[in-house]
Amino acid sequence: NAGVTQTPKFQVLKTGQSMTLQCAQDMNHEYMSWYRQDPGMGLRLIHYSVGAGITDQGEVPNGYNVSRSTTEDFPLRLLSAAPSQTSVYFCASSYEGHRETQYFGPGTRLLVL
Amino acid sequence: GENVEQHPSTLSVQEGDSAVIKCTYSDSASNYFPWYKQELGKRPQLIIDIRSNVGEKKDQRIAVTLNKTAKHFSLHITETQPEDSAVYFCAAKAGGSARQLTFGSGTQLTVLP
Repeated sequence: NAGVTQTPKFQVLKTGQSMTLQCAQDMNHEYMSWYRQDPGMGLRLIHYSVGAGITDQGEVPNGYNVSRSTTEDFPLRLLSAAPSQTSVYFCASSYEGHRETQYFGPGTRLLVL
Repeated sequence: GENVEQHPSTLSVQEGDSAVIKCTYSDSASNYFPWYKQELGKRPQLIIDIRSNVGEKKDQRIAVTLNKTAKHFSLHITETQPEDSAVYFCAAKAGGSARQLTFGSGTQLTVLP
């Protein structure tokens, strides 16, 4: 199994541009989440999903959209990038029966100029 | 919502000494408390966790203690080694909640040879 994969690894955007961060998992996990990591602020939950077709907001959802059309994929969309969205983004998944244990992807480093 | 505070933000210890990192949480409904280790440039990985029906849990050189009354929990690392150098995150989650973890702000642990 590849586990949780994320693309791209690194991205530079200009303010106002849009892009999609990809996340996929091949473990048949029901739960998937997006976190952002900023210095001194830990990991903050952006959006999460408890299954295909079901998503909900986390702690910092503004400026981001998600969808979950399949169990495997959970893309994160930035509609109009802002410098405040410069961060490292981690996707994570977990499974029913041990939903609390997050399996993290390798992360995407995003720089918004 | 849940609020998790973590101290200290940085910690330096001599190799072989013990390290203690403390976290407090605000939501009395939280019942799951994991600790994640993140090495430089890597993804966070679960190292130990504890549930609210247990006061202490050990795994070789690592232990976690929980005080539900005071709403705080701690990570203890004994006989520290250089490879223990990393950022450590605590987190909390309320039982029955679909929402994922709330993380602390992280502790940079440096083990000096």
